This record gives sequence, structure tokens and C-alpha cells, in this order.
Amino acid sequence: GENVEQHPSTLSVQEGDSAVIKCTYSDSASNYFPWYKQELGKRPQLIIDIRSNVGEKKDQRIAVTLNKTAKHFSLHITETQPEDSAVYFCAASGTDRGSTLGRLYFGRGTQLTVWP
Amino acid sequence: EAQVTQNPRYLITVTGKKLTVTCSQNMNHEYMSWYRQDPGLGLRQIYYSMNVEVTDKGDVPEGYKVSRKEKRNFPLILESPSPNQTSLYFCASSLASDYNEQFFGPGTRLTVL
Repeated sequence: GENVEQHPSTLSVQEGDSAVIKCTYSDSASNYFPWYKQELGKRPQLIIDIRSNVGEKKDQRIAVTLNKTAKHFSLHITETQPEDSAVYFCAASGTDRGSTLGRLYFGRGTQLTVWP
Repeated sequence: EAQVTQNPRYLITVTGKKLTVTCSQNMNHEYMSWYRQDPGLGLRQIYYSMNVEVTDKGDVPEGYKVSRKEKRNFPLILESPSPNQTSLYFCASSLASDYNEQFFGPGTRLTVL
């Protein structure tokens, strides 16, 4: 099955600075890479995703880049604001050995803190 | 309103007392999944289901059971809960397979004494 590693586990930035979270994956067949944001006490929610046929996707202050050759993808947040403070999870699609069902494999999360 | 609901939201129980956490979605989604969230370990998948009567184990299925008799419901069953199953549980659903946005329920905080 897929193995997703996420770094760093914690990240502190000053308001207005950029934040970058990186993930690596092991299964070259993975082709869908979403990012979820979980605010304190809330449920995870999708903020952006990318499929393997594109290398970069942007949505206002957030962007995701994908390097299929190196098997890594990154979340970039520019002009960070205090409300960006949350736990961010990356994920990659894949299939368990012996199964025909697709599923998502999540990284362990990054606690981002944006200081005013 | 399109949503995923879970019940109960909070539960304190004792070791060995069977319990069921319900999950329901009203979006006609085929794919449903259960996760547990523990500090430092992220979201770990327990079981998932592609459609009615089609389920498979995730990363941490031991001690859990699921059933998918109807498309909208995907209950999580703990036949004999133990303290190591104390956790925050999330149900999620998506339109199909793993290549679509997963919508998460509000979570169930379970404590097993």
C-alpha cells in the first residue's frame, strides 16, 4: 500500500510570511493528492487538491505543486493570516495490496501557527 | 442541506460494553469511510466501503466492525471496547472511490474506561 510522509510536524510563521508543507509518497500509481485543513475542534475540510496530470494548482493564497518523478507534493500558503492557523493533512490515493478498492492515505499532519 | 451526520457526538463507556456509532450521509455518495484521530498519529483509516455490501479493512481494523446494508448508512461497531480505542472518530463520504473530495462528519469523541 501507499506510505505518505509529511513534514514538518509543526510550523510557526509570522503573519504575512509564507508557509510550505511537504509530503512524499511511495506508490508511483497514486494520482490524486488532496490537502485538508482542520481547525481546532472542527472536522477536516478539503482546501485544495491536484491530480497527476498537472504540476501545479492555485487558489488565491494557496497552491499545491506536484513532482511525480520525485514522488513529492507541497502546499504553499502565501501572505499567511492568523485564521490560517490549523492542522493541515496531505493525502494520496492508492490501493492496498490484495484489494481492488481505492482509498486515501493520510500524512500525520502539520500544526501551523501564524503569529500576529 | 448536504451533510454527514454522526451519533453520538460524545460517549463515555466501560470496557467490554458493546457500542455502535452511527454515520449517515444524504448526498447519495458511494464511498464511505471511518477514521480515528489520535495526537501525533493523524487520521488513520479503520474501514472503508465502496458501495452497499462492499467493505474493506483500512490501517487499524482490529476491534472494529462495520456494515453497509444501505447506501446512506455506515455504522461503526465496537463489540468489546477497550481503553486503547479511546479516540476521536470521523466518518467521511465521497461521490465515488478515493478520487473525490471526502466530506467528514462532525466527529465522535469516545472514552473507554
